[in-house]
Amino acid sequence: DAKTTQPPSMDCAEGRAANLPCNHSTISGNEYVYWYRQIHSQGPQYIIHGLKNNETNEMASLIITEDRKSSTLILPHATLRDTAVYYCIVRTRGSGNTGKLIFGQGTTLQVKP
Amino acid sequence: NAGVTQTPKFRILKIGQSMTLQCTQDMNHNYMYWYRQDPGMGLKLIYYSVGAGITDKGEVPNGYNVSRSTTEDFPLRLELAAPSQTSVYFCASSTGQGAGEQYFGPGTRLTVT
Repeated sequence: DAKTTQPPSMDCAEGRAANLPCNHSTISGNEYVYWYRQIHSQGPQYIIHGLKNNETNEMASLIITEDRKSSTLILPHATLRDTAVYYCIVRTRGSGNTGKLIFGQGTTLQVKP
Repeated sequence: NAGVTQTPKFRILKIGQSMTLQCTQDMNHNYMYWYRQDPGMGLKLIYYSVGAGITDKGEVPNGYNVSRSTTEDFPLRLELAAPSQTSVYFCASSTGQGAGEQYFGPGTRLTVT
């Protein structure tokens, strides 16, 4: 699975959009981008995933560049409860895949009032 | 659905003692995983299972054993506890076919002294 690079920390004002970047320059054609977050001391929580098109769900939006070498997770209206460590993970998907996730250091997002 | 449950929540072990961390899921997921998370670090995969009777090693399997006799349960065994095994342990499960959306339990915080 391709390696990812994320900034170690970011701040965001409450109510504003939080844009979390991720670089994955060695991503291959069959690899998806997944985002998880971990709120203090809890188990990680799945947020969203995508292959090459932009994706949106009730939690967030995922923007993947055309060359697929980087992506941005957008929390449109950050709240204090969004303060967490956000992990960007690249991996293949589909039958025969064991589903293993390789977690890096992630980005610690601090939402401030 | 309760999702993924883990017991105990906390445990203190003396060096050389043994224990089993319990993990149960009620979502009928074939895939289950054990991770550990050391302070300030990302999660590391210990063992995983793609179905009852099938287990395999992850990144950091030394000092641990697992079994998978049912779809619901995936216990993790520490035979001779060492201080290096002080960590938070998370169990996770996912649907079949290598889906990346894993559902995590609340974790077990283990201290070995």
